Amino acid sequence: AQTVTQSQPEMSVQEAETVTLSCTYDTSESDYYLFWYKQPPSRQMILVIRQEAYKQQNATENRFSVNFQKAAKSFSLKISDSQLGDAAMYFCAYRSPNSGGSNYKLTFGKGTLLTVNP
Amino acid sequence: ETGVTQTPRHLVMGMTNKKSLKCEQHLGHNAMYWYKQSAKKPLELMFVYSLEERVENNSVPSRFSPECPNSSHLFLHLHTLQPEDSALYLCASSQDLVISPLHFGNGTRLTVT
Repeated sequence: AQTVTQSQPEMSVQEAETVTLSCTYDTSESDYYLFWYKQPPSRQMILVIRQEAYKQQNATENRFSVNFQKAAKSFSLKISDSQLGDAAMYFCAYRSPNSGGSNYKLTFGKGTLLTVNP
Repeated sequence: ETGVTQTPRHLVMGMTNKKSLKCEQHLGHNAMYWYKQSAKKPLELMFVYSLEERVENNSVPSRFSPECPNSSHLFLHLHTLQPEDSALYLCASSQDLVISPLHFGNGTRLTVT
């Protein structure tokens, strides 16, 4: 079964600085999708960025980028020029493209609470 | 208008009550999901529907009963809940079951007294 581990329960960063959130996962599959979701106090989970495992190029979305290391099964999120609005719980998630079984499931880590200090 | 709308936002119910959570998606998606989010635990998938057919039931107790009357609406009927069922219940939708990202609602904060 796939598992997703976020080893940092909490992180903090100064406004305008850069922070990196860690995520590792365990899978025997070669093709899959990885996601970072953000959950602010409003509680809505918002998709931040997505990475297809077959793509070697790291995904980038404005100030958000990932460092995807497939061999190491690592998928970290870098937030550049941090803003107060980035403060939220961040969840790493894994999804398999294979149909059947419980592959409909989006497997989440436990989350990292990010605080942005002014 | 957000893509996925959940009501109510907060719900307090006694153990003998019957209540329902409602979810509506305006994105034209084909799949809908119920997740349970408890403190310090990963999100737990409860139910998955694709084109109104249930495709996943993740060993959820029968006191939780889902209903999907059409591809835009999803309900979670609750009865004789336990205090440990208190949690944030999140609804989500996606275009397909396989590769599309999930779009979530704001959740219903449920407290069972």
